[in-house]
Amino acid sequence: QVQLVQSGAEVKKPGASVKVSCKASGYTFTSYGISWVRQAPGQGLEWMGWISAYNGNTNYAQKLQGRVTMTTDTSTSTAYMELRSLRSDDTAVYYCARQIGPPGIAVGTFDYWGQGTLVTVSS
Amino acid sequence: QSALTQPPSASGSPGQSVTISCTGTSSDVGGYNYVSWYQQHPGKAPKLMIYEVSKRPSGVPDRFSGSKSGNTASLTVSGLQAEDEADYYCSSYAGSNNFHVVFGGGTKLTVL
Repeated sequence: QVQLVQSGAEVKKPGASVKVSCKASGYTFTSYGISWVRQAPGQGLEWMGWISAYNGNTNYAQKLQGRVTMTTDTSTSTAYMELRSLRSDDTAVYYCARQIGPPGIAVGTFDYWGQGTLVTVSS
Repeated sequence: QSALTQPPSASGSPGQSVTISCTGTSSDVGGYNYVSWYQQHPGKAPKLMIYEVSKRPSGVPDRFSGSKSGNTASLTVSGLQAEDEADYYCSSYAGSNNFHVVFGGGTKLTVL
């Protein structure tokens, strides 16, 4: 069965960086893209960007351009999301999600999700 | 402020039907047939309920249906059950120039 298992909770200071991992199993990793979605406490969902596990192409949400980097390691079927220059409003649960739909773009259809990783930014 | 507008709350009694709206613009909901709906129970990851406006993934009960008219998409839950109480989020493709994927602010569905 398809599973996305994320790394554990993190506590970071403002200005630091965080790198969250998402290990996939149960399907051919390179056949699907992975999007990252975050959810601040008590708030809604926010799409951060996506990466093609096939060729590594990325697209990031405009507001995070320059602070976020998404990568994959196909040898371990793992996706990574690194967020730099952390601020208090980056405190959120970060989800990875497998995306389905037309190749080469993220259209917002995510059929499997990781369990979420809480990232807390606090001095 | 979310890109797509949803009512903050909706409610219905067991067995009734309830419809949740998701209003965007011609640049997102109205421009593409890539509207999805997600159900999220407290402390859990979202679950895909509807994609491409009206398609249901395998395993999702046919009590859940989706539609779209112009810039507004809708999720209808028929025959409400207690386990349907959750937050519901819509999402839409918004083109590759800026936003790519946008979400609604979410609707808390209460089963009375």
